[in-house]
Amino acid sequence: GAGVSQSPSNKVTEKGKDVELRCDPISGHTALYWYRQSLGQGLEFLIYFQGNSAPDKSGLPSDRFSAERTGGSVSTLTIQRTQQEDSAVYLCASSRQGAYGNTIYFGEGSWLTVV
Amino acid sequence: KQEVTQIPAALSVPEGENLVLNCSFTDSAIYNLQWFRQDPGKGLTSLLLIQSSQREQTSGRLNASLDKSSGRSTLYIAASQPGDSATYLCAVKRTDGGSQGNLIFGKGTKLSVKP
Repeated sequence: GAGVSQSPSNKVTEKGKDVELRCDPISGHTALYWYRQSLGQGLEFLIYFQGNSAPDKSGLPSDRFSAERTGGSVSTLTIQRTQQEDSAVYLCASSRQGAYGNTIYFGEGSWLTVV
Repeated sequence: KQEVTQIPAALSVPEGENLVLNCSFTDSAIYNLQWFRQDPGKGLTSLLLIQSSQREQTSGRLNASLDKSSGRSTLYIAASQPGDSATYLCAVKRTDGGSQGNLIFGKGTKLSVKP
Protein backbone atom coordinates (compact mmCIF):
# COMPACT_ATOMS: atom_id res chain seq x y z
CA GLY A 1 0.00 0.00 0.00
CA ALA A 2 0.93 3.61 -0.36
CA GLY A 3 0.77 4.50 3.31
CA VAL A 4 0.97 3.11 6.81
CA SER A 5 -1.97 0.82 7.41
CA GLN A 6 -3.43 0.11 10.85
CA SER A 7 -6.10 -2.32 11.97
CA PRO A 8 -8.58 -2.37 13.48
CA SER A 9 -9.52 1.25 12.96
CA ASN A 10 -11.88 1.05 15.94
CA LYS A 11 -12.01 -1.41 18.80
CA VAL A 12 -14.32 -1.54 21.79
CA THR A 13 -13.33 -4.06 24.42
CA GLU A 14 -14.32 -4.99 27.92
CA LYS A 15 -12.05 -4.21 30.82
CA GLY A 16 -9.71 -7.11 31.48
CA LYS A 17 -9.65 -8.41 27.92
CA ASP A 18 -6.53 -8.54 25.77
CA VAL A 19 -6.30 -6.61 22.50
CA GLU A 20 -3.95 -6.71 19.53
CA LEU A 21 -3.36 -3.77 17.24
CA ARG A 22 -1.66 -4.25 13.90
CA CYS A 23 0.53 -1.96 11.85
CA ASP A 24 1.72 -2.40 8.26
CA PRO A 25 4.49 0.11 7.56
CA ILE A 26 5.35 1.57 4.20
CA SER A 27 7.30 -0.92 2.13
CA GLY A 28 11.03 -0.40 2.48
CA HIS A 29 10.80 1.57 5.72
CA THR A 30 13.08 0.08 8.33
CA ALA A 31 11.96 2.24 11.24
CA LEU A 32 8.60 1.72 12.93
CA TYR A 33 7.10 3.67 15.81
CA TRP A 34 4.11 3.35 18.11
CA TYR A 35 2.60 6.36 19.83
CA ARG A 36 -0.49 6.82 21.97
CA GLN A 37 -2.75 9.86 21.93
CA SER A 38 -5.22 10.24 24.75
CA LEU A 39 -8.09 12.74 24.72
CA GLY A 40 -6.72 16.22 25.34
CA GLN A 41 -3.18 14.94 25.65
CA GLY A 42 -0.16 15.09 23.41
CA LEU A 43 1.33 12.10 21.67
CA GLU A 44 3.10 9.72 24.00
CA PHE A 45 5.97 7.60 22.71
CA LEU A 46 5.55 3.88 23.30
CA ILE A 47 8.11 1.85 21.35
CA TYR A 48 10.51 2.14 18.42
CA PHE A 49 11.88 -0.53 16.09
CA GLN A 50 14.85 0.04 13.78
CA GLY A 51 15.95 -2.77 11.52
CA ASN A 52 17.39 -5.69 13.44
CA SER A 53 18.37 -3.60 16.46
CA ALA A 54 16.83 -4.19 19.85
CA PRO A 55 13.68 -2.08 20.11
CA ASP A 56 13.49 0.95 22.36
CA LYS A 57 10.72 0.00 24.78
CA SER A 58 11.29 2.88 27.15
CA GLY A 59 7.86 4.39 26.52
CA LEU A 60 5.73 1.36 27.32
CA PRO A 61 3.61 2.41 30.34
CA SER A 62 3.44 -0.98 32.05
CA ASP A 63 4.27 -4.64 31.57
CA ARG A 64 0.75 -5.16 30.22
CA PHE A 65 2.00 -3.56 27.01
CA SER A 66 4.22 -5.37 24.53
CA ALA A 67 5.03 -5.14 20.86
CA GLU A 68 6.78 -7.20 18.28
CA ARG A 69 7.81 -6.75 14.72
CA THR A 70 8.02 -9.84 12.58
CA GLY A 71 10.33 -10.07 9.62
CA GLY A 72 11.21 -6.42 9.90
CA SER A 73 7.82 -5.41 8.57
CA VAL A 74 4.44 -5.85 10.26
CA SER A 75 4.18 -4.93 13.93
CA THR A 76 1.66 -5.92 16.57
CA LEU A 77 1.03 -3.98 19.76
CA THR A 78 -0.57 -6.11 22.46
CA ILE A 79 -2.29 -4.80 25.55
CA GLN A 80 -3.11 -7.41 28.16
CA ARG A 81 -5.83 -7.10 30.80
CA THR A 82 -7.00 -3.78 29.40
CA GLN A 83 -7.94 -0.96 31.77
CA GLN A 84 -10.16 2.04 31.11
CA GLU A 85 -7.14 4.34 31.14
CA ASP A 86 -5.85 2.44 28.10
CA SER A 87 -8.59 4.06 26.02
CA ALA A 88 -6.80 6.17 23.42
CA VAL A 89 -5.80 6.35 19.79
CA TYR A 90 -2.79 4.19 19.06
CA LEU A 91 -0.79 5.60 16.19
CA CYS A 92 1.81 3.74 14.19
CA ALA A 93 4.37 5.42 11.97
CA SER A 94 7.29 4.44 9.78
CA SER A 95 10.26 6.08 8.13
CA ARG A 96 13.29 5.23 6.10
CA GLN A 97 15.93 4.34 8.67
CA GLY A 98 15.69 6.51 11.76
CA ALA A 99 14.09 9.82 12.59
CA TYR A 100 17.14 12.06 12.48
CA GLY A 101 16.64 13.36 9.01
CA ASN A 102 13.75 11.42 7.65
CA THR A 103 10.10 12.26 7.30
CA ILE A 104 7.88 10.14 9.49
CA TYR A 105 4.63 8.85 8.00
CA PHE A 106 1.73 8.09 10.32
CA GLY A 107 -1.18 5.75 9.93
CA GLU A 108 -4.71 6.85 10.78
CA GLY A 109 -4.63 5.11 14.11
CA SER A 110 -6.52 2.44 16.00
CA TRP A 111 -9.16 3.95 18.29
CA LEU A 112 -9.40 1.82 21.40
CA THR A 113 -12.24 2.15 23.88
CA VAL A 114 -12.20 0.06 27.06
CA VAL A 115 -15.60 -0.21 28.74
CA LYS B 1 13.31 16.80 30.86
CA GLN B 2 12.36 18.09 27.45
CA GLU B 3 8.94 19.73 27.33
CA VAL B 4 7.23 21.10 24.25
CA THR B 5 4.56 23.76 24.53
CA GLN B 6 2.27 25.13 21.87
CA ILE B 7 0.41 28.37 22.31
CA PRO B 8 -2.38 29.12 21.67
CA ALA B 9 -4.26 25.87 22.12
CA ALA B 10 -6.86 27.08 19.64
CA LEU B 11 -7.01 29.81 17.05
CA SER B 12 -9.79 31.05 14.79
CA VAL B 13 -9.09 33.37 11.88
CA PRO B 14 -10.96 34.60 8.80
CA GLU B 15 -9.97 33.22 5.44
CA GLY B 16 -7.07 35.00 3.78
CA GLU B 17 -5.23 35.99 6.91
CA ASN B 18 -1.56 35.25 7.43
CA LEU B 19 -0.98 33.55 10.77
CA VAL B 20 1.75 32.25 13.03
CA LEU B 21 1.67 29.19 15.24
CA ASN B 22 4.16 28.94 18.07
CA CYS B 23 6.13 26.06 19.53
CA SER B 24 8.59 26.29 22.39
CA PHE B 25 10.87 23.66 23.90
CA THR B 26 12.81 23.68 27.13
CA ASP B 27 16.03 21.95 26.07
CA SER B 28 17.87 23.41 23.09
CA ALA B 29 19.81 20.19 22.52
CA ILE B 30 17.66 18.84 19.71
CA TYR B 31 18.42 17.04 16.49
CA ASN B 32 15.46 18.35 14.59
CA LEU B 33 11.98 19.74 14.87
CA GLN B 34 8.98 18.68 12.83
CA TRP B 35 5.62 20.24 12.23
CA PHE B 36 2.66 17.95 11.63
CA ARG B 37 -0.96 18.42 10.72
CA GLN B 38 -3.74 16.26 12.14
CA ASP B 39 -7.26 16.30 10.75
CA PRO B 40 -10.12 15.06 12.96
CA GLY B 41 -10.15 11.29 13.21
CA LYS B 42 -7.00 10.99 11.15
CA GLY B 43 -3.32 10.33 11.66
CA LEU B 44 -0.56 12.90 11.42
CA THR B 45 0.81 14.33 8.19
CA SER B 46 4.34 15.68 8.22
CA LEU B 47 4.52 19.25 6.95
CA LEU B 48 8.08 20.41 7.50
CA LEU B 49 11.24 19.00 9.06
CA ILE B 50 13.95 21.40 10.24
CA GLN B 51 17.36 20.02 11.15
CA SER B 52 19.10 21.59 14.13
CA SER B 53 21.62 23.27 11.82
CA GLN B 54 18.88 24.93 9.78
CA ARG B 55 17.03 28.14 10.45
CA GLU B 56 13.94 27.59 8.33
CA GLN B 57 12.14 25.42 5.84
CA THR B 58 9.49 26.35 3.30
CA SER B 59 6.82 24.39 1.51
CA GLY B 60 4.24 26.25 -0.51
CA ARG B 61 2.34 28.62 1.77
CA LEU B 62 4.07 27.21 4.85
CA ASN B 63 7.28 28.47 6.39
CA ALA B 64 8.77 27.06 9.56
CA SER B 65 11.58 28.73 11.47
CA LEU B 66 13.80 27.41 14.22
CA ASP B 67 15.71 29.32 16.88
CA LYS B 68 17.45 26.71 18.99
CA SER B 69 19.08 29.16 21.38
CA SER B 70 15.73 30.56 22.46
CA GLY B 71 13.94 27.23 22.21
CA ARG B 72 11.37 28.40 19.73
CA SER B 73 9.88 27.49 16.40
CA THR B 74 7.15 29.18 14.44
CA LEU B 75 4.95 27.92 11.63
CA TYR B 76 3.83 30.68 9.33
CA ILE B 77 0.81 30.06 7.12
CA ALA B 78 0.23 32.58 4.36
CA ALA B 79 -3.15 33.41 2.91
CA SER B 80 -5.01 30.91 5.09
CA GLN B 81 -7.80 28.82 3.59
CA PRO B 82 -10.67 26.86 5.18
CA GLY B 83 -8.86 23.70 4.13
CA ASP B 84 -6.04 24.64 6.50
CA SER B 85 -8.36 23.97 9.43
CA ALA B 86 -6.76 21.21 11.49
CA THR B 87 -4.65 20.66 14.57
CA TYR B 88 -0.99 21.52 14.10
CA LEU B 89 1.58 19.71 16.21
CA CYS B 90 5.27 20.26 16.63
CA ALA B 91 7.72 17.62 17.81
CA VAL B 92 11.40 17.66 18.68
CA LYS B 93 13.95 14.90 18.51
CA ARG B 94 16.24 15.19 21.48
CA THR B 95 19.97 14.47 21.62
CA ASP B 96 20.21 13.30 25.20
CA GLY B 97 20.39 9.60 24.50
CA GLY B 98 16.80 8.88 23.65
CA SER B 99 16.34 6.61 20.70
CA GLN B 100 15.63 7.99 17.30
CA GLY B 101 12.01 7.10 17.75
CA ASN B 102 11.47 9.23 20.79
CA LEU B 103 9.98 12.42 19.53
CA ILE B 104 8.54 14.78 22.10
CA PHE B 105 5.26 16.29 20.93
CA GLY B 106 3.41 19.41 21.94
CA LYS B 107 -0.33 19.20 22.50
CA GLY B 108 -1.05 21.11 19.34
CA THR B 109 -2.83 24.23 18.18
CA LYS B 110 -6.33 23.71 16.79
CA LEU B 111 -6.74 26.08 13.85
CA SER B 112 -10.08 27.07 12.39
CA VAL B 113 -10.16 29.18 9.25
CA LYS B 114 -13.58 30.71 8.64
CA PRO B 115 -14.80 31.30 5.08
